[in-house]
Amino acid sequence: ENVLTQSPDTLSLSPGERATLSCRASQSVSASYLAWYQQKPGQAPRLLIYGASSRATGIPDRFSGSGSDTDFTLTISRLEPEDFAVYYCQQYGSSPQTFGQGTKVEIK
Amino acid sequence: QVQLVQSGAAMKKPGSSVRISCKASGGTFRSFAISWVRQAPGLGLEWMGGIMPIYGTTDYAQKFQGRVTITADESTSTVYMVLSSLRSEDTAVYYCVFAINSWQGMAAWDHWGQGTLVTVSS
Repeated sequence: ENVLTQSPDTLSLSPGERATLSCRASQSVSASYLAWYQQKPGQAPRLLIYGASSRATGIPDRFSGSGSDTDFTLTISRLEPEDFAVYYCQQYGSSPQTFGQGTKVEIK
Repeated sequence: QVQLVQSGAAMKKPGSSVRISCKASGGTFRSFAISWVRQAPGLGLEWMGGIMPIYGTTDYAQKFQGRVTITADESTSTVYMVLSSLRSEDTAVYYCVFAINSWQGMAAWDHWGQGTLVTVSS
């Protein structure tokens, strides 16, 4: 299976700062079928990015995704208070679909 | 707008089975790709398996092969997941997830149920 490794595990930043989250795959991700999700405590995950760089419906443009092959990045250009959460990447190019272990973005 | 409503929390004994339902409203049920994803307490997300009602096909993660069964009832727009031979490690929140756009049943999941907590304890 295609193992996804996210880094860092925790990112401590202040509101207004830029966040850069990494997701590295053990194998090439077919057709850039890479997604990013945001999860807040007690809530289901929410899709942010699909196809490595396309924003899902209703997602603010401060969220952007990039990358290809095995290296992908989620960037939050300026952190808003509501952006402090856990973020997961997911590949859906090969079965089994797999998720990274998550990156927690916390308030510094 | 697609809405997914899952059945309520369940407490189960080791060795027993659990069935979770997920009823969809909005959208064309048979056109969706549907999967189940679980999350153990404090841990990450794990894909268990999925179904494509339009083709009647299922795909299961090898880890759960033989223990999980996913079915869909188009007449009620409901998908079911049965997990058998439960053990304590199966304690988790289970989510049904739907997507309109998929590739071979795999997708970026844009619709999530509210989650169902299954606790396995003697």
